[in-house]
Amino acid sequence: EPEVTQTPSHQVTQMGQEVILRCVPISNHLYFYWYRQILGQKVEFLVSFYNNEISEKSEIFDDQFSVERPDGSNFTLKIRSTKLEDSAMYFCASSAGLEADTQYFGPGTRLTVL
Amino acid sequence: AQSVSQHNHHVILSEAASLELGCNYSYGGTVNLFWYVQYPGQHLQLLLKYFSGDPLVKGIKGFEAEFIKSKFSFNLRKPSVQWSDTAEYFCAVNALSGYSTLTFGKGTMLLVSP
Repeated sequence: EPEVTQTPSHQVTQMGQEVILRCVPISNHLYFYWYRQILGQKVEFLVSFYNNEISEKSEIFDDQFSVERPDGSNFTLKIRSTKLEDSAMYFCASSAGLEADTQYFGPGTRLTVL
Repeated sequence: AQSVSQHNHHVILSEAASLELGCNYSYGGTVNLFWYVQYPGQHLQLLLKYFSGDPLVKGIKGFEAEFIKSKFSFNLRKPSVQWSDTAEYFCAVNALSGYSTLTFGKGTMLLVSP
């Protein structure tokens, strides 16, 4: 069964550094998402992406964040200048359609900002 | 905006006990409803979903959930849990408003003792 994959599984960075989290969505899916889960808290929506542009974003997704689909397979989340509070598990998800389709999640990248 | 509340943060059961995890959502319109499970060290996996039709939906591993529209609830049930059901369970809602955001509850950690 096709899966969403994410790399790296763990990322440790210094505050102020840029990080890029990578995701390979399921190949025939058209909608891509990033969520995050701060330790002990709920999974929170960050951004959705369709047709090479952001379709929706939450208030968490400020100017420090950006997403890109640099080629036909990868979907990346960049954090320009990491803060301590960016430490979280970041999940990528993809779906074939919009409203009536299930989002399939990747295994997550645990980001630790020191 | 929609919100999801899960009544129990931690549930401890013995094997063969019956399980019911509560989930309520607040949103005035039509929704899709999901239960995701996260086994220790693994990623979010879809357990079951409700889009329309029969309000009693059956998922993988013997789980089922019932959508009660009048109560804005989507409780998860399993008649007899196993040790392997130890995991965190997340209820999620997707409002059919043209957007695709999943709103998650805080999760319920289920520990099944052998």
